[in-house]
Amino acid sequence: GENVEQHPSTLSVQEGDSAVIKCTYSDSASNYFPWYKQELGKRPQLIIDIRSNVGEKKDQRIAVTLNKTAKHFSLHITETQPEDSAVYFCAASKRANNDMRFGAGTRLTVKP
Amino acid sequence: EAQVTQNPRYLITVTGKKLTVTCSQNMNHEYMSWYRQDPGLGLRQIYYSMNVEVTDKGDVPEGYKVSRKEKRNFPLILESPSPNQTSLYFCASSLFGTSKVEQYFGPGTRLTVT
Repeated sequence: GENVEQHPSTLSVQEGDSAVIKCTYSDSASNYFPWYKQELGKRPQLIIDIRSNVGEKKDQRIAVTLNKTAKHFSLHITETQPEDSAVYFCAASKRANNDMRFGAGTRLTVKP
Repeated sequence: EAQVTQNPRYLITVTGKKLTVTCSQNMNHEYMSWYRQDPGLGLRQIYYSMNVEVTDKGDVPEGYKVSRKEKRNFPLILESPSPNQTSLYFCASSLFGTSKVEQYFGPGTRLTVT
């Protein structure tokens, strides 16, 4: 089955710096890659996603890139702010919903 | 308001005492799923359902049961809970077979089995 690895497990940056979180997946049939943000004590919420027919997607300060050949995708957050502090999860799925596998998560801390 | 609800939010129980965690969504979503979240392990899928009366095992189904008798409800049943099932549980739902596949998560249920 699909295996998703996520790095780093913790990341600390200064406010205003960029943050990059990387994920690799094992199943070349995976075609949907969402990123979720989980604030302390809250539920995970989708922040951005990308499908396998697209190499990059941006939404304001966040972007995701996908390299299908290398089977890895990354989350980029620019101009980080303290409210970006949270746990971020990547995931990969072969079909739109089922068979979704999550990475172990990255705890991002943005220091003011 | 579109939402996924879970009950109870917190539960402390003893080994072997059957319990049910309810999950309900009001968005007419076909797909529903249960996850458990443990430190350092991320979100692991327990069971999922693509529609009424259709359920399937995820990565960690042992010790759990589910049912999907109605589209809006997807209860998680622990017939004989054990301490290794102490965890944070999330229910999620989404549309299926369309381009809008965002999974909406419930607020979570923190279960402690002593």
